[in-house]
Amino acid sequence: DTAVSQTPKYLVTQMGNDKSIKCEQNLGHDTMYWYKQDSKKFLKIMFSYNNKELIINETVPNRFSPKSPDKAHLNLHINSLELGDSAVYFCASSHVAGNSYNEQFFGPGTRLTVL
Amino acid sequence: GQQVMQIPQYQHVQEGEDFTTYCNSSTTLSNIQWYKQRPGGHPVFLIQLVKSGEVKKQKRLTFQFGEAKKNSSLHITATQTTDVGTYFCAGPRKTSYDKVIFGPGTSLSVIP
Repeated sequence: DTAVSQTPKYLVTQMGNDKSIKCEQNLGHDTMYWYKQDSKKFLKIMFSYNNKELIINETVPNRFSPKSPDKAHLNLHINSLELGDSAVYFCASSHVAGNSYNEQFFGPGTRLTVL
Repeated sequence: GQQVMQIPQYQHVQEGEDFTTYCNSSTTLSNIQWYKQRPGGHPVFLIQLVKSGEVKKQKRLTFQFGEAKKNSSLHITATQTTDVGTYFCAGPRKTSYDKVIFGPGTSLSVIP
């Protein structure tokens, strides 16, 4: 059984288009994340949701809009795609209780290429 | 701001040689985690260290958390081709426990 799944795995699109990436976790975790990994492998957190509420919103352009319909899903919608948005986007989930921080489970990633 | 640094950025070793990557934080960490990402794959959790001076072993991998809880290391004994990948350390941000800061990673290549 896949713990954290993402669709699509690959996404090739033109500049200016709008696209969405979906993420689902079946681990019963209460916190989900979106990360962006650029060509240099840097993993940068973009958003974090805890129990469907936005917790972290890093300095990400407002063209990026996350949505969490329920605790098991966290989707990422990107408007007006730009060349610099090309990267691998990872969804992750973890259980966060109080100030206890646990391991994160990552999805397989979505490789976004903007032409 | 709070930073997590790793050295070296890249390491090429002959199969059978040892390998060590070092992680340094600009602030004290409540805990530190290590992840491995194979080429083309996603980060996979390896271990979490919590106590000052803690040492944990997983087969050929030895993880250490510094006494001041500001640095950590991962040592691999007698590397194998299956060890190839990028190793990331990660620590929670001081002001926001549910935000993790990942180090830039160390990419390990093993020459057979």
